[in-house]
Amino acid sequence: EVQLVESGGGSVQPGWSLRLSCAASGFTFDDYAMHWVRQAPGKGLEWVSGISWNSGRIAYADSVKGRFTISRDNAKNSLYLQMNSLRAEDTALYYCAKAKAYSLLGGHFDYWGQGTLVTVSS
Amino acid sequence: DIQMTQSPSSLSASVGDRVTITCRASQGISNYLAWYQQKPGKVPELLIYAASTLQSGVPSRFSGSGSGTDFTLTISSLQPEDVATYYCQKYNSDPLTFGGGTKVEIK
Repeated sequence: EVQLVESGGGSVQPGWSLRLSCAASGFTFDDYAMHWVRQAPGKGLEWVSGISWNSGRIAYADSVKGRFTISRDNAKNSLYLQMNSLRAEDTALYYCAKAKAYSLLGGHFDYWGQGTLVTVSS
Repeated sequence: DIQMTQSPSSLSASVGDRVTITCRASQGISNYLAWYQQKPGKVPELLIYAASTLQSGVPSRFSGSGSGTDFTLTISSLQPEDVATYYCQKYNSDPLTFGGGTKVEIK
């Protein structure tokens, strides 16, 4: 059974940093691209970032480019999102999602985690 | 960047009604289009990928069509458990943009 378990969320002040983690199990992690998607309270889904199977290709939404860094450790079956210079508008539930492709593009998201909540407020 | 526009943003229909949601891409995306269902308080779930392929386990009353810029999600006979917000998403190029969502309610 595929499982994606996010952790690392919390309440922080503007300008602070957080590192999210996603522990994957139930599939061959290094065969697939992975993504982060967020959902602000009462709002729609926003793709944040994605990484190919071997970290060879990475992409970010314009809203987080230069502040967030995605990475993965295939030996640990884990996906990460380093979030720096956090803003109030980054407040959201952050989901990790598995793509049905090894490349960054071309794969729909077939499994999602339960999400971890990030709140940025002074 | 390619924009994804869904319509309507919300709808209310009766049990048994046929429901159609549209998603329009600002540029052609071939068939790199997925539909997700998010029930209230729940995690999004994949319904359809490659514009028209039903994900395993999804009821056959759901169907998808389209290619290029115009896509449709159809629920042939709306059921109470279909109350949810539906999102389209393109995945042929980054950013992997989602549509704004369509909230479906029972009349």
